Amino acid sequence: TQLLEQSPQFLSIQEGENLTVYCNSSSVFSSLQWYRQEPGEGPVLLVTVVTGGEVKKLKRLTFQFGDARKDSSLHITAAQPGDTGLYLCAGDIQGAQKLVFGQGTRLTINP
Amino acid sequence: NAGVMQNPRHLVRRRGQEARLRCSPMKGHSHVYWYRQLPEEGLKFMVYLQKENIIDESGMPKERFSAEFPKEGPSILRIQQVVRGDSAAYFCASSPWRGLNTEAFFGQGTRLTVV
Repeated sequence: TQLLEQSPQFLSIQEGENLTVYCNSSSVFSSLQWYRQEPGEGPVLLVTVVTGGEVKKLKRLTFQFGDARKDSSLHITAAQPGDTGLYLCAGDIQGAQKLVFGQGTRLTINP
Repeated sequence: NAGVMQNPRHLVRRRGQEARLRCSPMKGHSHVYWYRQLPEEGLKFMVYLQKENIIDESGMPKERFSAEFPKEGPSILRIQQVVRGDSAAYFCASSPWRGLNTEAFFGQGTRLTVV
């Protein structure tokens, strides 16, 4: 059973388009993190969201934490080929002290 | 300030041999997490350790796998009598403290191939 469901699992779009990746769960998270992973490398932390309804922006990336702290989204505006990679959401479940990862969204931006 | 260091980056073992994976956390970090990643999948939690203590090993297979984080030196993930199914990327992450909203920083991983 996957505690964190990411969708879509694969996404291939053209440069300049917008996209949204979703991370959903039935569990409540104390915090939720988004990572990006390049082939052959470890995940690199992009952002941490903590408060329900919180929105954080990182250049063309917008991260939102759901009001109930059960879900999150990552929106990329005007995608560029450099955005290509595996995007992972990870949640810190209340009462636990470990990050639980989604299965990832493999994003390809075509020039 | 060096990040999380894992070695070796690549490890090839024959079936039945032992694999030892090392992780040196970031300076000042006393909490270490080990994760396993199969191709095309996310990361699966294995074990969480503090110095000299195993806090949560709920993701560790019951047999052949063990982990330690001694007072001095790196954390070690040990796999005895490896089988082909152990082939995966193993990542370690460290954080300065446990608890809510802890940000974990990952190493580059060790890619284990069992032949």
